[in-house]
Amino acid sequence: GQNIDQPTEMTATEGAIVQINCTYQTSGFNGLFWYQQHAGEAPTFLSYNVLDGLEEKGRFSSFLSRSKGYSYLLLKELQMKDSASYLCAVRDPRDSNYQLIWGAGTKLIIKP
Amino acid sequence: GAVVSQHPSWVICKSGTSVKIECRSLDFQATTMFWYRQFPKQSLMLMATSNEGSKATYEQGVEKDKFLINHASLTLSTLTVTSAHPEDSSFYICSARVHRYEQYFGPGTRLTVT
Repeated sequence: GQNIDQPTEMTATEGAIVQINCTYQTSGFNGLFWYQQHAGEAPTFLSYNVLDGLEEKGRFSSFLSRSKGYSYLLLKELQMKDSASYLCAVRDPRDSNYQLIWGAGTKLIIKP
Repeated sequence: GAVVSQHPSWVICKSGTSVKIECRSLDFQATTMFWYRQFPKQSLMLMATSNEGSKATYEQGVEKDKFLINHASLTLSTLTVTSAHPEDSSFYICSARVHRYEQYFGPGTRLTVT
């Protein structure tokens, strides 16, 4: 079966660091994505990992361990505008259209 | 680059009527477009995958006769919700696959059926 797990909700303080975890059990793997979605808006692309290791992009970093079926999104120097849902998605290698399998999302609440 | 637009951004319609939602890739050609539905506080639910010039592939449980998808060109896909009912009220989002790695999303269409 296909399963992606993320915490439902997390709370962090402005200026701090937060790590959002994602574990996946899928029949095959061909890349993992992180998207940010503000309430009432469509998701926006944050990062893509296909090889093990850390990908850094400004305040956001994403890590992947394929052997553990695990990824995390690290947000540094948190700002109030980072309050959003963060979606983890795995690309289904069986699908010729490169369809994504989505997690339920983690709602991140930033407090002053 | 990789901008996807949707029209309308919101629509209110009466029960029993049909509503068409357009999804356009503005600065690229999209071979594949995806249609999602999202209910409040829930994650994205893939409804169908649309390839230019061919019939859409619907996910299990999605009625193809109710949600008509047309992908007539490499820059335009449309979703028509036929005989809409209040339970169809949702946030409908399209995305376009730019290349193998990323999907870019349109801004979404909020449908309210009264």
